[in-house]
Amino acid sequence: KAGVTQTPRYLIKTRGQQVTLSCSPISGHRSVSWYQQTPGQGLQFLFEYFSETQRNKGNFPGRFSGRQFSNSRSEMNVSTLELGDSALYLCASSLVASGEYQETQYFGPGTRLLVL
Amino acid sequence: DQQVKQNSPSLSVQEGRISILNCDYTNSMFDYFLWYKKYPAEGPTFLISISSIKDKNEDGRFTVFLNKSAKHLSLHIVPSQPGDSAVYFCAASDGNQFYFGTGTSLTVIP
Repeated sequence: KAGVTQTPRYLIKTRGQQVTLSCSPISGHRSVSWYQQTPGQGLQFLFEYFSETQRNKGNFPGRFSGRQFSNSRSEMNVSTLELGDSALYLCASSLVASGEYQETQYFGPGTRLLVL
Repeated sequence: DQQVKQNSPSLSVQEGRISILNCDYTNSMFDYFLWYKKYPAEGPTFLISISSIKDKNEDGRFTVFLNKSAKHLSLHIVPSQPGDSAVYFCAASDGNQFYFGTGTSLTVIP
């Protein structure tokens, strides 16, 4: 079974631009969560989508948004990029909604975003 | 507010010895705990998990211990191997969301 895939793997943008990242979950998984990883900050939860609906949202500004399609693929968008948005963006999928029935999340390789 | 904390940013261990990675949490509603391993340029890989109704779970060289009264979680790796060198994240779930620690970088010295 193929794992979680994320595209692109690397991205360089300039301040003020916007960016869209894509995540394809493991086949059959209906939940997709997005995390931001920066040095020393661990994984910060952005949001989770389950069955095309946003189930949870972390403490990030409205510039960060996402959506999920009927095939469970998800996209994350960041508008008006700032230097501080430079990070590794990780996507994780699970069969059911995060944490329910003690279901595990499985991560993709991440998208490394550099904002200049 | 960091609800899951890994207070040791790094740890070095000799090959063949035991590695002990620690994690503390503050939320008593957490009922499921996990450990992930992460190599550079890769996403975190699931290692082992434990439910709050247990105090120990083993999988080969990896054992996770849970002390609910102390709100403390630890991962034991025995024996440690050079390929275990990676960043280890602990995570906890309240049934609604996962919360991650900041990670501990483990170096296993040959």
